[in-house]
Amino acid sequence: IAGITQAPTSQILAAGRRMTLRCTQDMRHNAMYWYRQDLGLGLRLIHYSNTAGTTGKGEVPDGYSVSRANTDDFPLTLASAVPSQTSVYFCASSDSNSNEQFFGPGTRLTVL
Amino acid sequence: AQSVAQPEDQVNVAEGNPLTVKCTYSVSGNPYLFWYVQYPNRGLQFLLKYITGDNLVKGSYGFEAEFNKSQTSFHLKKPSALVSDSALYFCAVRRTGNTPLVFGKGTRLSVIA
Repeated sequence: IAGITQAPTSQILAAGRRMTLRCTQDMRHNAMYWYRQDLGLGLRLIHYSNTAGTTGKGEVPDGYSVSRANTDDFPLTLASAVPSQTSVYFCASSDSNSNEQFFGPGTRLTVL
Repeated sequence: AQSVAQPEDQVNVAEGNPLTVKCTYSVSGNPYLFWYVQYPNRGLQFLLKYITGDNLVKGSYGFEAEFNKSQTSFHLKKPSALVSDSALYFCAVRRTGNTPLVFGKGTRLSVIA
């Protein structure tokens, strides 16, 4: 693994189903983030974690939950998916030394 | 709260001409400013950043940006555009410290041969 990986690449999901998007980084970055990208709205922060064991809410957290059991993994869970959660989801990580965020390739989620 | 505005949804430029993609920001304290590029069906790639020091920042692929504190702007520029520069560009800001980036809505750049 090099950088950030996300799984699955894409998913079609029935409304009401539970779904977990996976994100793993191998750079030992302390901070990780989940964004959703929607046409005309840019990237909006869903949840973030400054360090393992802590999480925080972003701009659009409703309907999503996260956990950060260790440094490398930051899964995003949709407990009961709704069509408005159809989007492209990006995971990112950063450390306090570089300040920049590194992004994964994204997960395209369609909720029907 | 911090915010970023990218006033142009779309910028069209002829190949070989200079390009500018505009960005203004609002943040309390000293800003950390960033530009990212996104090619179709890909994640975001870092282009350049301003943290402190020289107001003119040089980045990847010949891009540069100028930090203007009085105008709260951080416009992205390139002296001579290439067709391969066609992509979606995002400006982002964060407060000092390890806070999440706040992104603008993006500007689609089209370079026409």
